[in-house]
Amino acid sequence: GESVGLHLPTLSVQEGDNSIINCAYSNSASDYFIWYKQESGKGPQFIIDIRSNMDKRQGQRVTVLLNKTVKHLSLQIAATQPGDSAVYFCAEFLFSGGYQKVTFGTGTKLQVIP
Amino acid sequence: KAGVTQTPRYLIKTRGQQVTLSCSPISGHRSVSWYQQTPGQGLQFLFEYFSETQRNKGNFPGRFSGRQFSNSRSEMNVSTLELGDSALYLCASSRGGQETQYFGPGTRLLVL
Repeated sequence: GESVGLHLPTLSVQEGDNSIINCAYSNSASDYFIWYKQESGKGPQFIIDIRSNMDKRQGQRVTVLLNKTVKHLSLQIAATQPGDSAVYFCAEFLFSGGYQKVTFGTGTKLQVIP
Repeated sequence: KAGVTQTPRYLIKTRGQQVTLSCSPISGHRSVSWYQQTPGQGLQFLFEYFSETQRNKGNFPGRFSGRQFSNSRSEMNVSTLELGDSALYLCASSRGGQETQYFGPGTRLLVL
């Protein structure tokens, strides 16, 4: 669980600044999207979700934007804190006939500089 | 409410052996999905169980199998272990519909 990929893209952000993490998804028919945070040695932790009929959803310090035209998802973290340092990845879900197909992005490593 | 639990947390096996991993979902969740996470491949879907039936399956060989019990607890079995099976195995539970999946901490398997 320390990293999703050996060569993850890394985003370094100063503490207090805003972070934007991007994800390109593959299937234009995907119904549902989740952003997960994975800290070293832990399982992925749900952050925020969005359904395909929405283009923006806000949580506490986090906002997810969905652009279906270009199949792009972004996660914005306001006032980034050292505890936000982790690997972030998106997941897209396609529900069809009682089945679900889920595809995960490779992840982005967020490093917060104190 | 307790989260998803997985046992054991760490495991070392040798090639050719078999292994069984266990996952207890969040109370009330009927769907359990299993994933393999490796540095090279990222998170890959293995299979999903719902009400004791395999409802969905990823693209893994038949050495990987699973089952779900009436209390929704699930086990995953890997037979004839290969070095490449070394990974973090994660399970996630949900109520079963189009709902958020919650992950457990994972079982880290090392095959020597």
